[in-house]
Amino acid sequence: QVQLQESGPGLVKPSGTLSLTCTVSGGSISENNWWTWVRQPPGKGLEWIGEIVHTGNTVYNPSLKSRVTMSIDKSQNHFSLKLRSVTAADTAVYYCARSSPTNYFDPWGRGALVSVSS
Amino acid sequence: QSVLTQPPSVSGAPGQRVTISCTGSKSNIGAGFNVHWYQQVPGTAPKLLIYDNINRPSGVPDRFSGSKSGTSASLAITGPQAEDEAEYYCQSYDSSLAAVFGGGTKLTVL
Repeated sequence: QVQLQESGPGLVKPSGTLSLTCTVSGGSISENNWWTWVRQPPGKGLEWIGEIVHTGNTVYNPSLKSRVTMSIDKSQNHFSLKLRSVTAADTAVYYCARSSPTNYFDPWGRGALVSVSS
Repeated sequence: QSVLTQPPSVSGAPGQRVTISCTGSKSNIGAGFNVHWYQQVPGTAPKLLIYDNINRPSGVPDRFSGSKSGTSASLAITGPQAEDEAEYYCQSYDSSLAAVFGGGTKLTVL
């Protein structure tokens, strides 16, 4: 049974770069799946950030594309998110999940709260 | 402003049928992309509830059902239970090459 776990700093300074890693266990990240990031600001709804496949190909949300970079490390069985030039509006719980061929997300990680504050 | 529109809240008693609507457009649901539903209990990650419009993952009670027509989709809960109190999100894909979510609907069981 595939499980995902987010990790990374819980506090980032404004204008800095948010960095998170999602470690996949119980399965290989090299399987023919896409791996996705979704975020949820406190008290608000879900926002899709983007996704990556084992070849390194990526698709990003157009609204975040200029600030987002995703990467994948098959040797570590994890994938990563970098979000540049963060502001308080980027404060959120960040989730990683596996994408299906028909674009539903399952399973999800437990989430990592990242706060942007000086 | 979410791409998919859901009512902010719905409520129903255990003997009733509750529905949550999800309205999109010709560039997402109306373009033929599948609709999926998630249940989120406060403080926890979303959980897949319905996938590909009508399918329930293993372990999801059959009181949950999904449907899709035109540019909209619906989640029905027949006889909601106290443990069903949660936030519900619909999700689809858009021709702009982005996954899109509804704003979420809070279910209250009376």
